[in-house]
Amino acid sequence: SQQGEEDPQALSIQEGENATMNCSYKTSINNLQWYRQNSGRGLVHLILIRSNEREKHSGRLRVTLDTSKKSSSLLITASRAADTASYFCAASQTGANNLFFGTGTRLTVIP
Amino acid sequence: GAGVSQTPSNKVTEKGKYVELRCDPISGHTALYWYRQSLGQGPEFLIYFQGTGAADDSGLPNDRFFAVRPEGSVSTLKIQRTERGDSAVYLCASSLNGQSYNEQFFGPGTRLTVL
Repeated sequence: SQQGEEDPQALSIQEGENATMNCSYKTSINNLQWYRQNSGRGLVHLILIRSNEREKHSGRLRVTLDTSKKSSSLLITASRAADTASYFCAASQTGANNLFFGTGTRLTVIP
Repeated sequence: GAGVSQTPSNKVTEKGKYVELRCDPISGHTALYWYRQSLGQGPEFLIYFQGTGAADDSGLPNDRFFAVRPEGSVSTLKIQRTERGDSAVYLCASSLNGQSYNEQFFGPGTRLTVL
């Protein structure tokens, strides 16, 4: 079963705007990871935030984690048309080695 | 270097048939994972190998699904008596040693269609 829920399910913005996606998960985690997927195929790892971290940056990406609310957010700043893809959060659950993925957010950036 | 590869990229079969899906992980990665992704959903965990052994097969939906990794490198996911509900993209991932802080590298997936 899916570990997390993502919101919104779909997001459409203009190029240059910021995009924010949210993820909620159910159990305690070691870390939370965000992945990007183009055209329903291979996933590309974007960023990992550990359970004892609250915020992390990587280029135009900013991830926050609130373990008390069991939620995370991914912010993409200054979006580009090439950012159009599906974005998934994935929880590394305490005591497990596999990832539990959310339902994904489909982002469309309009040029 | 080479990433995770999966073959075939697409597989169309008839209900009741047997299929094998192959995954070649990144060289030197001891951990290998299989996931299944249905349309519009996130990937769902099937099985995790550490070396040659299946360390966690709790995600396999039923006994029609089986996976092996006999030499600790290439893995094969085997599905017997396929059903239309098995249609999905099957994703393989590998990581350096299975620790939770290691990134999982995903292959392009095999799209299985059961008619």
